Amino acid sequence: GENVEQHPSTLSVQEGDSAVIKCTYSDSASNYFPWYKQELGKRPQLIIDIRSNVGEKKDQRIAVTLNKTAKHFSLHITETQPEDSAVYFCAAIASGGSYIPTFGRGTSLIVHP
Amino acid sequence: GAVVSQHPSRVICKSGTSVKIECRSLDFQATTMFWYRQFPKQSLMLMATSNEGSKATYEQGVEKDKFLINHASLTLSTLTVTSAHPEDSSFYICSARGQITIGNQPQHFGDGTRLSIL
Repeated sequence: GENVEQHPSTLSVQEGDSAVIKCTYSDSASNYFPWYKQELGKRPQLIIDIRSNVGEKKDQRIAVTLNKTAKHFSLHITETQPEDSAVYFCAAIASGGSYIPTFGRGTSLIVHP
Repeated sequence: GAVVSQHPSRVICKSGTSVKIECRSLDFQATTMFWYRQFPKQSLMLMATSNEGSKATYEQGVEKDKFLINHASLTLSTLTVTSAHPEDSSFYICSARGQITIGNQPQHFGDGTRLSIL
């Protein structure tokens, strides 16, 4: 089955700095990669996603890159703000089966004002 | 759009009680619903996947007689924790996904249920 590794587990940055979270996956059939943000005690919320036919996608301060050959994808947050502090999860989903997502272990992002 | 409602948000009950958690998709038809368990500072652990009108598929190590899942309609799935014990205390989150047509679709999560068994 699919295995998703996510790093780092904790990331501490100063307000205004950039933050990068990286994930690798093992199943070459995976072709959809969503990212979720979960604030303490709340639901995970989809913040951006990318499909395997695209190498990069950007939405304001958030961008995701995908390298299919290396089987890794990354979340980039620029000009971080304290409200970006949360746990971020990456996921990988393969088509052609039951489309069950495999989540990474999560990254706790702390943005210091 | 894509709102998922989960109730109750918090349950505190005595050991041996059965607890039912509801997950509803409010503005779309959820062909598939997922139930997760999340321990503090950990990732989402998939418990089971349910498709409307069929039996749920449980992940390895999850007791199907302990965690009963019903997905009787395209907008409602329920998880019943039977004879709950303190070790069942956790944060349970459901998610719902519409029909896969072209490519994959994201899941949409409920607010979660904090279950505390005394």
